Amino acid sequence: KAGVTQTPRYLIKTRGQQVTLSCSPISGHRSVSWYQQTPGQGLQFLFEYFSETQRNKGNFPGRFSGRQFSNSRSEMNVSTLELGDSALYLCASSLVPESSGNTIYFGEGSWLTVV
Amino acid sequence: GENVEQHPSTLSVQEGDSAVIKCTYSDSASNYFPWYKQELGKGPQLIIDIRSNVGEKKDQRIAVTLNKTAKHFSLHITETQPEDSAVYFCAARVGGFKTIFGAGTRLFVKA
Repeated sequence: KAGVTQTPRYLIKTRGQQVTLSCSPISGHRSVSWYQQTPGQGLQFLFEYFSETQRNKGNFPGRFSGRQFSNSRSEMNVSTLELGDSALYLCASSLVPESSGNTIYFGEGSWLTVV
Repeated sequence: GENVEQHPSTLSVQEGDSAVIKCTYSDSASNYFPWYKQELGKGPQLIIDIRSNVGEKKDQRIAVTLNKTAKHFSLHITETQPEDSAVYFCAARVGGFKTIFGAGTRLFVKA
């Protein structure tokens, strides 16, 4: 069974541009969450989607947004990129978010460099 | 707010020795505690997890303990091997929706 797939794996953008990252969850998983990983801040929760609805959101500015499609695939968008947005963006999927002890499985991540 | 503290930030052990990583969580409603291993250039991989109704869980050389009263949980790796070298993250899941991660422990296993 295929794991969580993220595209693109690597990308370089210029300040002020916008970027869209894509995530395909494990087959059968309906919940997708996004994390930002940087050396200084560790793993920071961005948001979680289930059934095309945002269920929870972390403390990030409105430049960070996401959505989920009916097939559970998800995209996240960052507009007006800043140098500090350079990070590894990780997508994780799980069966459903409501049940206790729901394990999340990560993809390999998308490395974003803003220059 | 919700917080997970993880110690130490760096741990160096000799091959064959044991390694222990400790975490403390703040939200008493946390009910699920996974541990992830992240190798260079890869995403975090789940290695073991424990639920709030269990005090200890083992899987071969890896074990996790949970003290709900003290809000502490720990990862124990016995007979460490060079391939155990990686960054380890503890986490606590609150309310079924959000997972809060510790800052990570970089483990070095010297051959």
